[in-house]
Amino acid sequence: DAGVIQSPRHEVTEMGQEVTLRCKPISGHDYLFWYRQTMMRGLELLIYFNNNVPIDDSGMPEDRFSAKMPNASFSTLKIQPSEPRDSAVYFCASSTDRRTYEQYFGPGTRLTVT
Amino acid sequence: AQKITQTQPGMFVQEKEAVTLDCTYDTSDPSYGLFWYKQPSSGEMIFLIYQGSYDQQNATEGRYSLNFQKARKSANLVISASQLGDSAMYFCAMREGALIGANNLFFGTGTRLTVIP
Repeated sequence: DAGVIQSPRHEVTEMGQEVTLRCKPISGHDYLFWYRQTMMRGLELLIYFNNNVPIDDSGMPEDRFSAKMPNASFSTLKIQPSEPRDSAVYFCASSTDRRTYEQYFGPGTRLTVT
Repeated sequence: AQKITQTQPGMFVQEKEAVTLDCTYDTSDPSYGLFWYKQPSSGEMIFLIYQGSYDQQNATEGRYSLNFQKARKSANLVISASQLGDSAMYFCAMREGALIGANNLFFGTGTRLTVIP
């Protein structure tokens, strides 16, 4: 079975440019999460969706960040305009309505903003 | 207050020996779940083991076991018979609240485990 798929795996962009990160959750999973990992702040939850509806976006750092989930098999995280401090690894994870709710993570997108 | 605390930034263990990675948590909710994830140098996050707050027995998954001490609010990961491939960052995480609508995880800062040949 395919796991969580993220693209691109690496992204290098200049400050001020728009960046779009993509995620395909595991088929049948009804929760989708976006995390950011940095050395300074560790792993932070940015936003999560349940059945395509955003449930908690309190972790989204500022209005430059937006996330959408137009259908059960696709989500995007957009940064516009990007800044050097946005450089991080962005993970997408999915889970489903089971006893444990363990989250399955994608390989991550390493974003570098110069 | 931090919801998950991992006090060991780094740990070393001899190959084939057992090692315990510490994790304490803070919640007032009676319903919660505790998780351990492994992050090797390649970067992916790998789910290892889960313990529910109402589970009577400590969770085990192969060489991984979770030493769950509810009164102390600790959920230490024990890796038995360490292997070189166990060298990685290990994260403790918690889900708190009702299962429906409160599914986000709070992660600790991680412990870097190095297995010595």
